[in-house]
Amino acid sequence: QQQVKQSPQSLIVQKGGIPIINCAYENTAFDYFPWYQQFPGKGPALLIAIRPDVSEKKEGRFTISFNKSAKQFSLHIMDSQPGDSATYFCAASKGDYKLSFGAGTTVTVRA
Amino acid sequence: DGGITQSPKYLFRKEGQNVTLSCEQNLNHDAMYWYRQDPGQGLRLIYYSQIVNDFQKGDIAEGYSVSREKKESFPLTVTSAQKNPTAFYLCASSAGPGSFHEQYFGPGTRLTVT
Repeated sequence: QQQVKQSPQSLIVQKGGIPIINCAYENTAFDYFPWYQQFPGKGPALLIAIRPDVSEKKEGRFTISFNKSAKQFSLHIMDSQPGDSATYFCAASKGDYKLSFGAGTTVTVRA
Repeated sequence: DGGITQSPKYLFRKEGQNVTLSCEQNLNHDAMYWYRQDPGQGLRLIYYSQIVNDFQKGDIAEGYSVSREKKESFPLTVTSAQKNPTAFYLCASSAGPGSFHEQYFGPGTRLTVT
């Protein structure tokens, strides 16, 4: 069973819009939550990551919000651009070797 | 130019044949991983290796085998026992203790078995 549930499966926004991708988890032992970006035919690339001791982290136009009590975290893409069109995966780790991935969200940003 | 290389990019095989996918890294990372990606699913861990000459099964190891004879290389063999081998295979690496979770991925190999 998937330990990290990701939604929506896909979404479309206009250029400049803010796509939001949500992830939920059950295992409270998770202590590291990365997001990966994957373009078609390529391997995923680490985008941004957060630990549960902070509620928000920003890197450029990408922001992670983390709600420890709800066991949820989300990715916001500010001022989205067509070049942001990709599949985004959330993941969670207990700080060891294993990453548990969500199913992925395909984001399309229309010009 | 540091990174992870996987070859070939596309691979075609007949059913019943074993096939080996290559993964090489020049990042001096201790740990290496193999994942399988299917449409609409997240990445699923096949095998991982934390040090040379040691490797562990992941969530879906059946029908696969690996070796780790050199730090920079972690080849994956898809055997004829794998019931549904057609997929996109991704190799990853991470620095080691304290950084296992910061994984960096190669470009992938798309395997088609007919």
